[in-house]
Amino acid sequence: GQNIDQPTEMTATEGAIVQINCTYQTSGFNGLFWYQQHAGEAPTFLSYNVLDGLEEKGRFSSFLSRSKGYSYLLLKELQMKDSASYLCAVPVDGNNRLAFGKGNQVVVIP
Amino acid sequence: SAVISQKPSRDICQRGTSLTIQCQVDSQVTMMFWYRQQPGQSLTLIATANQGSEATYESGFVIDKFPISRPNLTFSTLTVSNMSPEDSSIYLCSVDPGPLTGELFFGEGSRLTVL
Repeated sequence: GQNIDQPTEMTATEGAIVQINCTYQTSGFNGLFWYQQHAGEAPTFLSYNVLDGLEEKGRFSSFLSRSKGYSYLLLKELQMKDSASYLCAVPVDGNNRLAFGKGNQVVVIP
Repeated sequence: SAVISQKPSRDICQRGTSLTIQCQVDSQVTMMFWYRQQPGQSLTLIATANQGSEATYESGFVIDKFPISRPNLTFSTLTVSNMSPEDSSIYLCSVDPGPLTGELFFGEGSRLTVL
């Protein structure tokens, strides 16, 4: 099975940096995903980590430590449009059935 | 990538009735999934829709309550049967266009309110 834990909400100002953490427990690790979900919209894919280390993609970076069962998503130069829920997810098995964490709501203020 | 159309986008339903949600994809995909997102909650996987065979349900979900069809590689339906207020939720269709990238694409969701 799998168990995914995320803190629930944070507020940050435009231009700031926020780090969203995710810890997980899963039998048979097969990568970790981050998704962004704006209110009232469908989730959209942000990143995928399968190896340890930091993956940078523009203003967003994602880090993974498999030994610690830990990942974080780093949002830099925050913009108002980054206000959303950020969900981490791990595959239940190799067929990409994803189990999602509860999500972390980020509110960006001027 | 994949473009997914879901309908209805929202509906208000009476207790005890059933509603079928349709999911149409603009390309053939192997993997299709149905998720539920209850108010203020994250996504919970209901089942994997298998083309030409019975869906594979996750723990806590059963075929009698959530029958699923998958007649071909571009279309699936989810029925929410004998609805109660606890079924008020957003139901999302999701696909993995492959090849096993793990990147899921989601439909816009169907928001059901059961009175």
